[in-house]
Amino acid sequence: QKEVEQNSGPLSVPEGAIASLNCTYSDRGSQSFFWYRQYSGKSPELIMSIYSNGDKEDGRFTAQLNKASQYVSLLIRDSQPSDSATYLCAVNRRGKLIFGQGTELSVKP
Amino acid sequence: EAQVTQNPRYLITVTGKKLTVTCSQNMNHEYMSWYRQDPGLGLRQIYYSMNVEVTDKGDVPEGYKVSRKEKRNFPLILESPSPNQTSLYFCASSFNLKNTEAFFGQGTRLTVV
Repeated sequence: QKEVEQNSGPLSVPEGAIASLNCTYSDRGSQSFFWYRQYSGKSPELIMSIYSNGDKEDGRFTAQLNKASQYVSLLIRDSQPSDSATYLCAVNRRGKLIFGQGTELSVKP
Repeated sequence: EAQVTQNPRYLITVTGKKLTVTCSQNMNHEYMSWYRQDPGLGLRQIYYSMNVEVTDKGDVPEGYKVSRKEKRNFPLILESPSPNQTSLYFCASSFNLKNTEAFFGQGTRLTVV
């Protein structure tokens, strides 16, 4: 079992729709959780961090954390073609940042 | 501007010719690390450093060396590069082990022929 798992996609949504990205992790000791966006050939860019159970909203982005079920998700409202990228889930496992393989999102005009 | 700077951005080299990829951050971060990214394998940590003169192996350290003589710099050294080290490399820094929001450099695309 991988420590951090994501569906590789591609996930395709129409412009204006809600994109839902999911991530599960295996270590219950994980303490903090991050979502990165990576455009092709570019470096990962931090878009959300979440540390406690529940929802955290920032503009069109909402991160959701459920430690009991060991999953973290990212919702993107009003998706735009410029949101087309690979989204990486990362988990702080005892001081080490572990990345999932990423979910490719495609937003169609 | 807060940033992590890697050089070079692109490098083509031959098998066995030693090379160094530099990484520098201006945010006074304690924690720095190197990753390689390969299709289907995601980001894998090569080495990390928790502070000056403190380094340790990540998940894929074979064939690589690092040093941390100053807080801001964390070079990656390939003593004898091989074709299987052809990859996209990223340096990242974060404040410390507890606050691990990582900031990434621009990446170095390395090709070993």
